[in-house]
Amino acid sequence: SAVISQKPSRDICQRGTSLTIQCQVDSQVTMMFWYRQQPGQSLTLIATANQGSEATYESGFVIDKFPISRPNLTFSTLTVSNMSPEDSSIYLCSARRSSTSGTDTQYFGPGTRLTVL
Amino acid sequence: TQLLEQSPQFLSIQEGENLTVYCNSSSVFSSLQWYRQEPGEGPVLLVTVVTGGEVKKLKRLTFQFGDARKDSSLHITAAQPGDTGLYLCAGASNFGNEKLTFGTGTRLTIIP
Repeated sequence: SAVISQKPSRDICQRGTSLTIQCQVDSQVTMMFWYRQQPGQSLTLIATANQGSEATYESGFVIDKFPISRPNLTFSTLTVSNMSPEDSSIYLCSARRSSTSGTDTQYFGPGTRLTVL
Repeated sequence: TQLLEQSPQFLSIQEGENLTVYCNSSSVFSSLQWYRQEPGEGPVLLVTVVTGGEVKKLKRLTFQFGDARKDSSLHITAAQPGDTGLYLCAGASNFGNEKLTFGTGTRLTIIP
């Protein structure tokens, strides 16, 4: 398995400010992702964090609002920019690792609970 | 667009009862994963199924991948309060290169 940590675990922010969430994986992984989740609901993919190149964003998400970095194979950041109350959500980092059996496995961090006032 | 519909959306049962959660799609997946998520935590992987008709058991949990690899089920025998959580299925068409499609989720509550 992969151990994924996120910082901060939660934060309360003012409208108009930005927050950067950090994600650290305990070993090298092939792919990293950022998801958003409303409490009790399913996951929505924001983007795939590409190592050494720009992230790949899903429909409805743009780089100016959610800039992402991935400087190496174990670390990524997601910034929520110019926040509004609608950005209040749980943000989850995820990493995919290839196995020797050929079946990839995707793991999740504990999430960052963001509240925007 | 691939969609994974889970049913039921909510389920509340007494401890000791059995239950089944379904995950259905019109699309074919090369593999399907089941996760359980508890409040304040990220989803935790329970199992990955990759072969049509495959059945995997994890203690009291039995997972099955449909023969056509379009659907899956999760059966829990003698449910315990510790089984409470949000259950998510997630499918991949080409797991090495594509993102997962997540199901709509099933919120399970086991009443002691």
